[in-house]
Amino acid sequence: AQSVTQLGSHVSVSEGALVLLRCNYSSSVPPYLFWYVQYPNQGLQLLLKYTSAATLVKGINGFEAEFKKSETSFHLTKPSAHMSDAAEYFCAVSVVASGNTPLVFGKGTRLSVIA
Amino acid sequence: ETGVTQSPTHLIKTRGQQVTLRCSSQSGHNTVSWYQQALGQGPQFIFQYYREEENGRGNFPPRFSGLQFPNYSSELNVNALELDDSALYLCASSLDRGPSDEQYFGPGTRLTVT
Repeated sequence: AQSVTQLGSHVSVSEGALVLLRCNYSSSVPPYLFWYVQYPNQGLQLLLKYTSAATLVKGINGFEAEFKKSETSFHLTKPSAHMSDAAEYFCAVSVVASGNTPLVFGKGTRLSVIA
Repeated sequence: ETGVTQSPTHLIKTRGQQVTLRCSSQSGHNTVSWYQQALGQGPQFIFQYYREEENGRGNFPPRFSGLQFPNYSSELNVNALELDDSALYLCASSLDRGPSDEQYFGPGTRLTVT
């Protein structure tokens, strides 16, 4: 069964510093991978997705992620953190199960940005 | 193009009661999925509907049920509410049911069971 592990429930960075949020997946088939962001009291917004077209995926708000099959990883990065990046981030894998395609989410990583 | 909307925003119910949560998908989206997000956790898949038929469900008991209507609206019904049902309930619509189809999430309904 597919699963996602996010390393670190809370990451704190200074404004302008590199953001690195870690995600490792487990999948017996080529996965479709997603990063979502959730601001307080809001739903989830898609940042980017990997669908096997390119291993380096660029998303919104300056975020990008690199799919590394050998490491089963899909880490999210941003070169320079902004205060508005403070939120909860979820990595997810899309599975195919009897014709339906639910997302399986990690437990999330809360990003704090310090001025 | 309007996004995914959900109602109500917040809801307080008593243990044993029944609740109906509503979702309005983006026009043209044939698939709607429902997720439960407990405090401090990632969303968990409840079930998915495709063209008004249930298309699979996660590890949730039968007292969680749903409906999808031709006008792109859908419902999540929960019977015999338990304290552990307190959570944020999210619906997500997608154009189709493929694994790469982007799921667009609504803002959620916060359910509190006392």
